Amino acid sequence: QSVLTQPPSVSGAPGQRVTISCTGSSSNIGTGYDVHWYQQVSGIAPKLLIYGNTNRPSGVPDRFSGSKSGTSASLAITGLQAEDEGDYYCQSYDSSLSVWVFGGGTKLTVL
Amino acid sequence: EVHLVESGGGLVQPGGSLRLSCAASGFTFGTYWMSWVRQAPGKGLEWVANIKQDGSEKYYVDSVKGRFSISRDNAKDSLFLQMNSLTAEDTAIYYCARDLVGGSPGIDYWGQGTLVTVSS
Repeated sequence: QSVLTQPPSVSGAPGQRVTISCTGSSSNIGTGYDVHWYQQVSGIAPKLLIYGNTNRPSGVPDRFSGSKSGTSASLAITGLQAEDEGDYYCQSYDSSLSVWVFGGGTKLTVL
Repeated sequence: EVHLVESGGGLVQPGGSLRLSCAASGFTFGTYWMSWVRQAPGKGLEWVANIKQDGSEKYYVDSVKGRFSISRDNAKDSLFLQMNSLTAEDTAIYYCARDLVGGSPGIDYWGQGTLVTVSS
């Protein structure tokens, strides 16, 4: 059971918009710690997608955006492309556990 | 360009030890916190440990405390993870990672990973 909760799977057709939620608690997201998002395609090493809740690293398309509110965060992907298929993980820090925490991951399928 | 290359993974018996290495290049290694993150087969990501720039602070997930030790050699741009008393639950791909600068803890670059299999 992950400290951060994500839906196991989401899907969408090419060109559509999907969102992935990440629900935490008052000891992690809700206490002000940033949320970061990672993309893992085809089982290769994860890649940073969004950092500090809303920021995109250089090279990440603006089709990807992040938001945070209260004890939750979301990743939105617009204009879905086949290459977006993969697993997406949210991550934050938990002050009660004193440990970095990841969501369980969400598998995105492009129909 | 940032490169992180892990080595040292392999098959080890329960109770055994293994030392992972990570060779860093493309950035000033000694100015970054560094981490190890693992991923069990078919499972999600789990942060394992991280270490401050000068090695003076080290943090671990509870499940590896007392068994794993993170260290670094800034002169050789290298990160290490000494793993002792290994169990089947430690079977995973181990990623070397560079920590984000500023803000909350996170990772901006990952290595390709090295597989550790604990089995008799």
